Amino acid sequence: AQSVSQHNHHVILSEAASLELGCNYSYGGTVNLFWYVQYPGQHLQLLLKYFSGDPLVKGIKGFEAEFIKSKFSFNLRKPSVQWSDTAEYFCAVSRGGATNKLIFGTGTLLAVQP
Amino acid sequence: NAGVTQTPKFQVLKTGQSMTLQCAQDMNHEYMSWYRQDPGMGLRLIHYSVGAGITDQGEVPNGYNVSRSTTEDFPLRLLSAAPSQTSVYFCASSYPKGGEQFFGPGTRLTVL
Repeated sequence: AQSVSQHNHHVILSEAASLELGCNYSYGGTVNLFWYVQYPGQHLQLLLKYFSGDPLVKGIKGFEAEFIKSKFSFNLRKPSVQWSDTAEYFCAVSRGGATNKLIFGTGTLLAVQP
Repeated sequence: NAGVTQTPKFQVLKTGQSMTLQCAQDMNHEYMSWYRQDPGMGLRLIHYSVGAGITDQGEVPNGYNVSRSTTEDFPLRLLSAAPSQTSVYFCASSYPKGGEQFFGPGTRLTVL
């Protein structure tokens, strides 16, 4: 079965530190890749997505992610985090055109200390 | 546009009770989905629909029913609530083939 792994369950950083959250998936065919963010008490919002083309994807709020097909990875990065980035981050994968059937990772809770 | 709306925001049920979680979208999206979010497990797909009159099961469909009579609405029914269904439920919608999913604000359900 297709699965998505997020190895960092809880990350604590100081402001201005760099961030990298890992995401690996198990499906070998064509995939669409997403990172969603959930701020405390809010619903999920899309940070960025990859469907095809340039494997380095830039999203909102200074986030970016790199799709490395050979490693089945789609890691999320930000050069300098802010306190307002405190949230839970979810990696998600869908197969081909089935963008309504997302498989989510278990999430990474990021706490940024001022 | 209101986007994806869900009602109620909070609900407490007793074991064995039934209820319907409402979901509506005003973006004319063909695809709609229901997920549940549990601590440490991320979001898991319950049921989904690719258009009016068409529904299918996701990863965790047991204990839930759905129907899609219109493009806009996609209600989720709990037939006989169980404590294991205590969760936060999210509805989402998207265009087919290349569209991101837009999520509603969620319904927090507690089953006693």
